[in-house]
Amino acid sequence: DAGVIQSPRHEVTEMGQEVTLRCKPISGHNSLFWYRQTMMRGLELLIYFNNNVPIDDSGMPEDRFSAKMPNASFSTLKIQPSEPRDSAVYFCASSLARGTGTEAFFGQGTRLTVV
Amino acid sequence: AQTVTQSQPEMSVQEAETVTLSCTYDTSESDYYLFWYKQPPSRQMILVIRQEAYKQQNATENRFSVNFQKAAKSFSLKISDSQLGDAAMYFCAYRGGNTPLVFGKGTRLSVIA
Repeated sequence: DAGVIQSPRHEVTEMGQEVTLRCKPISGHNSLFWYRQTMMRGLELLIYFNNNVPIDDSGMPEDRFSAKMPNASFSTLKIQPSEPRDSAVYFCASSLARGTGTEAFFGQGTRLTVV
Repeated sequence: AQTVTQSQPEMSVQEAETVTLSCTYDTSESDYYLFWYKQPPSRQMILVIRQEAYKQQNATENRFSVNFQKAAKSFSLKISDSQLGDAAMYFCAYRGGNTPLVFGKGTRLSVIA
């Protein structure tokens, strides 16, 4: 398996533009997580899905952020409109949902810069 | 809510020496897992080691071992025979119930040649 695949690796956009980040989880994993990493706040959970259903989106900063998981092999995180304070590295991770022993496998992240 | 605390923002160690990174957590659950992840400059998150809360024996993975003190809610990582490639950010993480991983703020480890 190729692991968790995120695209793009880097994104530079202007304030006010729409940004879409993409994630393909590991085949067979039924939990998917979106994290945001900044120097000030560390790794923050934005939202997670079990079996394609959003379970907890309390970490989503505001209505400008939305996430979807239309099927087991694809998820998107959208920011519309983007703002400079959204600049961060965004990670997607996946795991098996059963029990609690399974670690999360991370993609390589998308570094987002909003200018 | 569960919280994870790493009290050492930065640490340094001489090559070939041993270093211990600290982590404490807060939970009311009895069944959970704890993890240490490594993030090198490439920013890839790499699992280093994990510990099941119901196991008394401390986990080990080659040069990496943990000191798990369940009553004290402490989970430290010991790196023996440190190598230059160990230089990275290290994150302690907690997972319980059907919850996702909760991370500490991280410890930046430098290895001095």
